[in-house]
Amino acid sequence: GQNIDQPTEMTATEGAIVQINCTYQTSGFNGLFWYQQHAGEAPTFLSYNVLDGLEEKGRFSSFLSRSKGYSYLLLKELQMKDSASYLCAVRTGAGSYQLTFGKGTKLSVIP
Amino acid sequence: NAGVTQTPKFRVLKTGQSMTLLCAQDMNHEYMYWYRQDPGMGLRLIHYSVGEGTTAKGEVPDGYNVSRLKKQNFLLGLESAAPSQTSVYFCASSYPGLAGGPSTDTQYFGPGTRLTVL
Repeated sequence: GQNIDQPTEMTATEGAIVQINCTYQTSGFNGLFWYQQHAGEAPTFLSYNVLDGLEEKGRFSSFLSRSKGYSYLLLKELQMKDSASYLCAVRTGAGSYQLTFGKGTKLSVIP
Repeated sequence: NAGVTQTPKFRVLKTGQSMTLLCAQDMNHEYMYWYRQDPGMGLRLIHYSVGEGTTAKGEVPDGYNVSRLKKQNFLLGLESAAPSQTSVYFCASSYPGLAGGPSTDTQYFGPGTRLTVL
C-alpha cells in the first residue's frame, strides 16, 4: 500500500518561516508534488521534485530526499493569504494517474 | 483560457436519484481525472482517462461511471446516489508530454462540485 504522512494542522505567525514535512512509504517513486488548497477552493500546483535537493520558487521552497522518503515545503515571509491546506502527493509510477495524496496540512497564519 | 471548469457547483440529491457531473478543459490536455475529497482523507481517484474514448478505474470507482466522448470533456455519472457519495468532487487534467521528453505532467484542478445525498 501507499502511505503519506503530514501533520494535520500547524500555526505560524505572519512574517515568520514555516516548514511543512511530508514522509512517504510507497511502492514506487516518480516525483513528489506540493499543492495549496484554500478552503472551499481547488488545489493549485506549487512545486515538483523528482531529484534530491531544494527547488526554490519565490517565497516557497520544496526539498526532497528520496533515500529518506522525505520532503518539506518551506514558506518564508508568511502572509495571511498563506492560510490554507498544503497537500503532498507522490507519483508512484510512470502513469500520471498513479498519484497518491496525503491528507493535507492545514496552516493557519496569525497576526 | 478558462482552464478546468465543472458543472454544477452545488447539488443536493435524494437517495436513489441519478445525476451527471460535467468537466471541461480548454488546455488540450490528454489526461483527465475525477477525484473525491472527504474530511480527514486525501483526494482519492475515482476514474481517469488517458485520451478521448478511453476510461479506467481508479482507487474508488464503485457507484460511478464515466465517459470521455470528446477530448475536452469528462463526465462523471452517479446512477443511484447513496449518502456515502456525499463529497466534494474535483476534476483535473494534465498533459503527459512526449515520450522521454521533459514534462512534470502536473495535474490542474477544477473548482469542485459539492454534492450532498440525503
